[in-house]
Amino acid sequence: GENVEQHPSTLSVQEGDSAVIKCTYSDSASNYFPWYKQELGKGPQLIIDIRSNVGEKKDQRIAVTLNKTAKHFSLHITETQPEDSAVYFCAASYRSSNTGKLIFGQGTTLQVKP
Amino acid sequence: DADVTQTPRNRITKTGKRIMLECSQTKGHDRMYWYRQDPGLGLRLIYYSFDVKDINKGEISDGYSVSRQAQAKFSLSLESAIPNQTALYFCATSESGTGRSGANVLTFGAGSRLTVL
Repeated sequence: GENVEQHPSTLSVQEGDSAVIKCTYSDSASNYFPWYKQELGKGPQLIIDIRSNVGEKKDQRIAVTLNKTAKHFSLHITETQPEDSAVYFCAASYRSSNTGKLIFGQGTTLQVKP
Repeated sequence: DADVTQTPRNRITKTGKRIMLECSQTKGHDRMYWYRQDPGLGLRLIYYSFDVKDINKGEISDGYSVSRQAQAKFSLSLESAIPNQTALYFCATSESGTGRSGANVLTFGAGSRLTVL
């Protein structure tokens, strides 16, 4: 079945450094790739997303890149701050559907050390 | 008030008990979802509903049932809880489809942590 693999499972960086989280998806029909941030005790919240007709998208310190040929997409956080510490989930749409059905990766726990 | 409210936030129960987790939303969204989060497994879809009369199974629906009582309310039931249903459960909503880009954007509740002893 459809699958999304996310790496690494944990990531520790110094404040100010960059962080990169990578995901690989299996369904070539997927066309929507969001990233969610989950802070302690809260539900996941969308931070950035990208559609298959775009290779890169930026929003201030975060960016997402997509390689459709390799079925890879990545989250890049620059100038990390302690408040970036959270669990991050990548996801891919189920097929090319507009149903809200998402296949999530396993999650990455990011720790930013002051 | 939160856009998506889940109750209870925490629940400890025993094997064999019936449990209901409730979700209500003020987003006005047609679509509602129940996900389960387990360490190392991410979020997995249990059930989803596109409107009051439309209920669909997700990837891990066995042992669960749902009820869409109204557009704003979607409850998840465990008829006879078992220990491997111990997890963090999330309700989420999204806009309806028909080409709107927001249909895939999920708004999550804060979660309901369930422990089955």
